Amino acid sequence: EVQLVESGGGLVQPGRSLRLSCVASGFTFDEYAMHWVRQAPGKGLERVSTVSWNSAGIDYADSVKGRFTISRDNAKNSLYLQMNSLRAEDTALYYCVKDAFGSGQSYFDYWGQGTPVTVSS
Amino acid sequence: DIQMTQSPSTLSASVGDRVTITCRASQSISTWLAWYQQKPGKAPNLLIYKASSLKRGVPSRISGSGSGTEFTLTISSLQPDDFATYYCQQYNTYSSFGQGTKLEIK
Repeated sequence: EVQLVESGGGLVQPGRSLRLSCVASGFTFDEYAMHWVRQAPGKGLERVSTVSWNSAGIDYADSVKGRFTISRDNAKNSLYLQMNSLRAEDTALYYCVKDAFGSGQSYFDYWGQGTPVTVSS
Repeated sequence: DIQMTQSPSTLSASVGDRVTITCRASQSISTWLAWYQQKPGKAPNLLIYKASSLKRGVPSRISGSGSGTEFTLTISSLQPDDFATYYCQQYNTYSSFGQGTKLEIK
């Protein structure tokens, strides 16, 4: 059974940093691309960032480019999102998501339950 | 960036109704389109990929069609479990989502 378990969310002041983590199990982690997708309260889905199976392909939404960094450790079956210079508009539930393939340009077949991030003073 | 536009934003229907949700892409995406269902407090769940391929376990009353820039999700006979929010997603160029369609009970 595929499981994606996020952690690291919380309440943070504007301008500060936070690091999200996701531990994956139930599949061969190093064969698949992974994503972070967020959902602001009462709003729709926004893909935040994507990393290919070998980290050679990385992409960011324009809204987070230059502030967020995605990374993965295949030896630890883990995905990360380093979030710097946080803004109120980054407040959302952040999902760790598995891609159906390795490149990162496919559909999303498994989602975690999300970790909440609130940016507020 | 490819923009995805869903219509309607909200759809009111009754059990047993046939409903259709439309998703339009700002440029051609071939059939690189997926549909997801999301219920309150839950993560989204994949229903359809490659515009019309049903994920294993998804009931056959749900179907998808389209290519290029216009796509539809159809539920042939609404069941109580189908009332949820539906999102389309293009994955022709990385990926982006439509704004969602809330399917509510009339």
